[in-house]
Amino acid sequence: AQSVTQLGSHVSVSEGALVLLRCNYSSSVPPYLFWYVQYPNQGLQLLLKYTTGATLVKGINGFEAEFKKSETSFHLTKPSAHMSDAAEYFCAVSANDYKLSFGAGTTVTVRA
Amino acid sequence: DAGVIQSPRHEVTEMGQEVTLRCKPISGHDYLFWYRQTMMRGLELLIYFNNNVPIDDSGMPEDRFSAKMPNASFSTLKIQPSEPRDSAVYFCASSDSRSTEAFFGQGTRLTVV
Repeated sequence: AQSVTQLGSHVSVSEGALVLLRCNYSSSVPPYLFWYVQYPNQGLQLLLKYTTGATLVKGINGFEAEFKKSETSFHLTKPSAHMSDAAEYFCAVSANDYKLSFGAGTTVTVRA
Repeated sequence: DAGVIQSPRHEVTEMGQEVTLRCKPISGHDYLFWYRQTMMRGLELLIYFNNNVPIDDSGMPEDRFSAKMPNASFSTLKIQPSEPRDSAVYFCASSDSRSTEAFFGQGTRLTVV
């Protein structure tokens, strides 16, 4: 079975500051890992994904994440926050059976 | 492609009424998923289909919920009878077996009063 824990339900950052969202997973098989973003009243949009290969993956809007097997982590970062980054972010895991198990989500607010 | 299309976007119904949510997946995608999002339980997978065949419905909460996929371009999620605790945002998503990415619709916000 697969599960995800997102540390921190709310994160507040200043514009231009580092964004760091934490995600730890549990999986009985090599995981596929994802970060999705949800803007108010919208569906989920894929930011980035890790399947195999390079453990540092780059996504849209300047986000990146690193898969660390030894730490069972897949933390999301962005060097410089922008006001448009205010949204809810979800980490998800799959066992390549196309079923996604989502974390509880982290809401990001960006202070001017 | 217009992406995954869900209808209606908003639905308000009275307890006991039948509710039908609709989804049109991205053309060519062979997987279709129904998710429910609530404050209490987050995002939960209800059921998913592969090539129009239900593969796993273990997330369907009760017999009041049913889902069908009569063809590759259409799926429905039905709740009969509806209850206030069914109030949530229901998302449909589709994916291609050649890719690991799921594309989500904009969701249907269901309110049962």
